[in-house]
Amino acid sequence: KAGVTQTPRYLIKTRGQQVTLSCSPISGHRSVSWYQQTPGQGLQFLFEYFSETQRNKGNFPGRFSGRQFSNSRSEMNVSTLELGDSALYLCASSRSGSPYNEQFFGPGTRLTVL
Amino acid sequence: AQKVTQAQTEISVVEKEDVTLDCVYETRDTTYYLFWYKQPPSGELVFLIRRNSFDEQNEISGRYSWNFQKSTSSFNFTITASQVVDSAVYFCALSEGGSGGSNYKLTFGKGTLLTVNP
Repeated sequence: KAGVTQTPRYLIKTRGQQVTLSCSPISGHRSVSWYQQTPGQGLQFLFEYFSETQRNKGNFPGRFSGRQFSNSRSEMNVSTLELGDSALYLCASSRSGSPYNEQFFGPGTRLTVL
Repeated sequence: AQKVTQAQTEISVVEKEDVTLDCVYETRDTTYYLFWYKQPPSGELVFLIRRNSFDEQNEISGRYSWNFQKSTSSFNFTITASQVVDSAVYFCALSEGGSGGSNYKLTFGKGTLLTVNP
């Protein structure tokens, strides 16, 4: 069974640009969550989607947005990039997103903003 | 609000030593779930264990064991006879089981970097 896949694995952008990251969950998983990982702040929750609906959102500015498609694949978008957006962005999937479900993580997308 | 504290930022041990990683959590929910994840240098988080708030039974899986104590809000992780391959960052995480929008997310501790030297 294939794991969570994320594309691209690495991205280099400049300030002011926008970026779209993609995540394909494990087959049969309907919940997709996104996390940002930085050395200073650690792992922080961005948002969670289930059946194309955002059910929860973390404390990030509106420049961070996401969506989920009918096949459960998800994308997140960051507009007007800032230097502080440089991070590892991790996507996780679970069967239903219920609190007791373990989440399975992808390898992440390393975003560097210059 | 939920919070997870891993006070140990880095631990270094010699192979075959036992090591315990501490995790203290805060939550107002009576139903919640605790997790441990391992992040090796490759970067991908690997699920290790889940515990629910109603089950304080300790668990052992090979060289790994977990001690859950509600009285002290702790969920500690012990590796017995550590090996070089155990070197990684270990994260403790919490999800709340109550109703409402606070669900559907994991709150992570800052992680503990474990280095096992040969």
